Amino acid sequence: EPEVTQTPSHQVTQMGQEVILRCVPISNHLYFYWYRQILGQKVEFLVSFYNNEISEKSEIFDDQFSVERPDGSNFTLKIRSTKLEDSAMYFCASRVSERGTEAFFGQGTRLTVV
Amino acid sequence: GQQLNQSPQSMFIQEGEDVSMNCTSSSIFNTWLWYKQEPGEGPVLLIALYKAGELTSNGRLTAQFGITRKDSFLNISASIPSDVGIYFCAGSARQLTFGSGTQLTVLP
Repeated sequence: EPEVTQTPSHQVTQMGQEVILRCVPISNHLYFYWYRQILGQKVEFLVSFYNNEISEKSEIFDDQFSVERPDGSNFTLKIRSTKLEDSAMYFCASRVSERGTEAFFGQGTRLTVV
Repeated sequence: GQQLNQSPQSMFIQEGEDVSMNCTSSSIFNTWLWYKQEPGEGPVLLIALYKAGELTSNGRLTAQFGITRKDSFLNISASIPSDVGIYFCAGSARQLTFGSGTQLTVLP
């Protein structure tokens, strides 16, 4: 069964460092998302991406964040200069179309900023 | 932004009991999704609802899309220990908005 895969599963980084989180969405999906979940809290929307550009972003997704689809399969989230409060699980999701379809999530990357 | 109110926040039930949880929103959604999340894992889709009034089952799970398109409920019948986890509703417009989750504990 096709699935969304994310790497790494766990990343520890020093405050101020850049991190890149990687995702491989399901191959025939066209809409890609990043979500964040701080420990014990709900899943929060960060950004959606379609046709090689951001279609929507939340207030969490500030100038420190960027997304890219560098090739036909990977979808990345970059945090330019990490802060302690960026520590969270980051989930990638994809779906076939924007409305009326299920979104499938990856297993997540646990980011720990120290 | 859109807000979803999910209740209850947590439930402790005996194995074999039925469970019900629900989500309400001030906004209309065109799709409601229910996910289960286990510790250290990503949300796993349980049920998707696409039409107002739709009632859909997946094994012991039943979910309904409210007629106003602003609410949904999830029922789990005859709970078993592996039902333990956090259940999230999600309303879908251009992106998913998640509820705050219901932590389910099933006691043997």
